[in-house]
Amino acid sequence: GIQVEQSPPDLILQEGANSTLRCNFSDSVNNLQWFHQNPWGQLINLFYIPSGTKQNGRLSATTVATERYSLLYISSSQTTDSGVYFCAVTTGANSKLTFGKGITLSVRP
Amino acid sequence: NAGVTQTPKFRILKIGQSMTLQCAQDMNHNYMYWYRQDPGMGLKLIYYSVGAGITDKGEVPNGYNVSRSTTEDFPLRLELAAPSQTSVYFCASSYRDSNQPQHFGDGTRLSIL
Repeated sequence: GIQVEQSPPDLILQEGANSTLRCNFSDSVNNLQWFHQNPWGQLINLFYIPSGTKQNGRLSATTVATERYSLLYISSSQTTDSGVYFCAVTTGANSKLTFGKGITLSVRP
Repeated sequence: NAGVTQTPKFRILKIGQSMTLQCAQDMNHNYMYWYRQDPGMGLKLIYYSVGAGITDKGEVPNGYNVSRSTTEDFPLRLELAAPSQTSVYFCASSYRDSNQPQHFGDGTRLSIL
């Protein structure tokens, strides 16, 4: 099956700093989503982005499908950005999301 | 709209007991999914359904059963709880097919002792 690798596994930032989170995948995808899991365990859907670029406030995402990677940008980070960021993909006619292991982000005041 | 609602939020079971995790969505989504998340890991698919009366296995189906009698509900049943089933369970739904974003419930934290 498809492999989803996220990097770095852990990231510590000072409040106000910018960061880039990366997701590499091993095959063509027809769905790619970025999620934020907050400290209470809730999964928040950040972006649905199988290709192209999207922005939502301080967050933006870019997926380059031909090169099999996606990037999540966080600007002017805040302590509320802390948590785990997951990338997940589906391929072909398969409706099953395959998740990466996640990136743990800690933003310090 | 409530979105995807999971009940209960927390539960402790003894080994060998059975229980049903409930999941309901009010978005008229055709596709529904059950995932489990073990500590420090991403989510793994247990079962999914593409519509009422149709279910299929995911990556880790052993020890679980599902049914889909209505579009809105997709319960997950554990028949003989085992410690290996201690996990956080998430239900999700999407409109029509895999090319639509999946929307997740808040999860059920289950401990088997």
